[in-house]
Amino acid sequence: DAGVIQSPRHEVTEMGQEVTLRCKPISGHDYLFWYRQTMMRGLELLIYFNNNVPIDDSGMPEDRFSAKMPNASFSTLKIQPSEPRDSAVYFCASSFSGRSSYEQYFGPGTRLTVT
Amino acid sequence: AQKVTQAQTEISVVEKEDVTLDCVYETRDTTYYLFWYKQPPSGELVFLIRRNSFDEQNEISGRYSWNFQKSTSSFNFTITASQVVDSAVYFCALSEVYNQGGKLIFGQGTELSVKP
Repeated sequence: DAGVIQSPRHEVTEMGQEVTLRCKPISGHDYLFWYRQTMMRGLELLIYFNNNVPIDDSGMPEDRFSAKMPNASFSTLKIQPSEPRDSAVYFCASSFSGRSSYEQYFGPGTRLTVT
Repeated sequence: AQKVTQAQTEISVVEKEDVTLDCVYETRDTTYYLFWYKQPPSGELVFLIRRNSFDEQNEISGRYSWNFQKSTSSFNFTITASQVVDSAVYFCALSEVYNQGGKLIFGQGTELSVKP
């Protein structure tokens, strides 16, 4: 089975530009998570979905960030407009509630650099 | 509030030494899961182990072992006879299960450097 797929793997953009990160969860998983990793703040949860519905977006830093999950096999995280402080590695993860452990499987991450 | 603390920011050892990575957690729930993930220099997050709050039995997997003690809210990770390939950042994480799909709260990570 394919794991969690993220694209692009690397993104370099200029301040003020719109950035869209993409995630394809593992087929059959009903939870999807977006995490951000920075040196200062470590790994932090931004938002998560259950059955395509956003459940908790309290980690989204500000209105410049938005996330959608139009169907069970695709999610996007958008930053508009981007700022240098958004530079980080963004991870997508998915899990299946049928497993009592809710074990999360992580994608390879997207390294975002905003200049 | 849920919290995971990894007090050791960096550890450096020489190959073949044993090393223990500490993890202390806080939660009000009685049912939860604890995890360890490894992040090698390549950047991906690699799952190592999961423990549920009802199982305090220690676990050993090859050179890796984990010690879970609810009395001290600790879930420590020991690497025996460390190798250079063990060099990575290790994260401890807490998951409170009910209705949250396993949302993970991560510690700050411990960077382990194993020198030849």
